[in-house]
Amino acid sequence: EPEVTQTPSHQVTQMGQEVILRCVPISNHLYFYWYRQILGQKVEFLVSFYNNEISEKSEIFDDQFSVERPDGSNFTLKIRSTKLEDSAMYFCASSGFSGTDTQYFGPGTRLTVL
Amino acid sequence: QQPVQSPQAVILREGEDAVINCSSSKALYSVHWYRQKHGEAPVFLMILLKGGEQKGHEKISASFNEKKQQSSLYLTASQLSYSGTYFCGTVGGSNYKLTFGKGTLLTVNP
Repeated sequence: EPEVTQTPSHQVTQMGQEVILRCVPISNHLYFYWYRQILGQKVEFLVSFYNNEISEKSEIFDDQFSVERPDGSNFTLKIRSTKLEDSAMYFCASSGFSGTDTQYFGPGTRLTVL
Repeated sequence: QQPVQSPQAVILREGEDAVINCSSSKALYSVHWYRQKHGEAPVFLMILLKGGEQKGHEKISASFNEKKQQSSLYLTASQLSYSGTYFCGTVGGSNYKLTFGKGTLLTVNP
């Protein structure tokens, strides 16, 4: 069964450093998302991406964040200058042919900012 | 605006039933239910589209009352594997983002 994959599973970085989180969505999906979950809290929407552009972003997704689909398979989230409060699980999700289709989540990347 | 889930937590004995509710103050296009176990990603359970449908998945089913903007998740004859945090995610209007509730922690004991 196709699934969303994410790398790395765990990333530790120093405050102020740049990190890139990588995702490979399900191959025939057209809509891509990033969510984050701070430990013990709910899952929060960051950004949605369709047709090679951002379709919506939350207030969390400020200028420090960017997304890219550099090739036909990868979908990346870059945080330019990490802060302590960026420590969280970051989940990538993808959905098929409509934005209202089921969103399938990847296993997540745990980001720890020291 | 995030949907409101209730209860926040529920403890069951194996074989008992539970209902988890999700309500929104705004018009919804769809409601998505996920279960998340500790340290893992949310796992999709089911999606309900506006139209007031009810869906079932083994012993887990859900309903969506479009007029009240409410959805309920029904777990019958609970199993130990049902333990986890259940999140409802709502999609409303023209955007496709999932807005999640705070979750309901379900614990099933032997």
